[in-house]
Amino acid sequence: EPEVTQTPSHQVTQMGQEVILRCVPISNHLYFYWYRQILGQKVEFLVSFYNNEISEKSEIFDDQFSVERPDGSNFTLKIRSTKLEDSAMYFCASSRGLGRPDTQYFGPGTRLTVL
Amino acid sequence: SQQGEEDPQALSIQEGENATMNCSYKTSINNLQWYRQNSGRGLVHLILIRSNEREKHSGRLRVTLDTSKKSSSLLITASRAADTASYFCATDPGGSEKLVFGKGMKLTVNP
Repeated sequence: EPEVTQTPSHQVTQMGQEVILRCVPISNHLYFYWYRQILGQKVEFLVSFYNNEISEKSEIFDDQFSVERPDGSNFTLKIRSTKLEDSAMYFCASSRGLGRPDTQYFGPGTRLTVL
Repeated sequence: SQQGEEDPQALSIQEGENATMNCSYKTSINNLQWYRQNSGRGLVHLILIRSNEREKHSGRLRVTLDTSKKSSSLLITASRAADTASYFCATDPGGSEKLVFGKGMKLTVNP
């Protein structure tokens, strides 16, 4: 069964450094998403992406964040200058985008630790 | 406002017992979904119920939705140790693509 994959599984970085989290969505899906989950807290929506542009973003998704689909298979989240509070589990998801309801399928996550 | 609040926050039961988790939400929704998360792992989609549906079954899972009370429940029958995980409800608010998750409920099934 096709699934969303994410790399790396764990990323450790120094505060102020740039990180890129990578995701390979399910191949025939049209919508892509990033969520994050700070330890012990809710899963929070960051951004959705469709047709090579951001379709919706949350207040969390400020100028430090960007997303890109550099080729036909990868979907990336870049954090330009990491802060301690960016430490969290980051989940990528994708959905078919063929109308509602549109189930979102999640990857295993990347645990980001900012020191 | 808090959307998708699960109740109880934690539940510990014996294998074979049924587990019921409740979720409340505040805004209008298109549908409500339940996800499972094993410790430190990703979110696995369990079941989706549309706003015009009242009950849905999938294997040992039974979901109900009461839009008048803005609440949903997830029942897991004949629980197994492998059901031990955190369970989240997530709503799909009208006019938005995002999912709004609750805090989650930790279920422990003791063998």
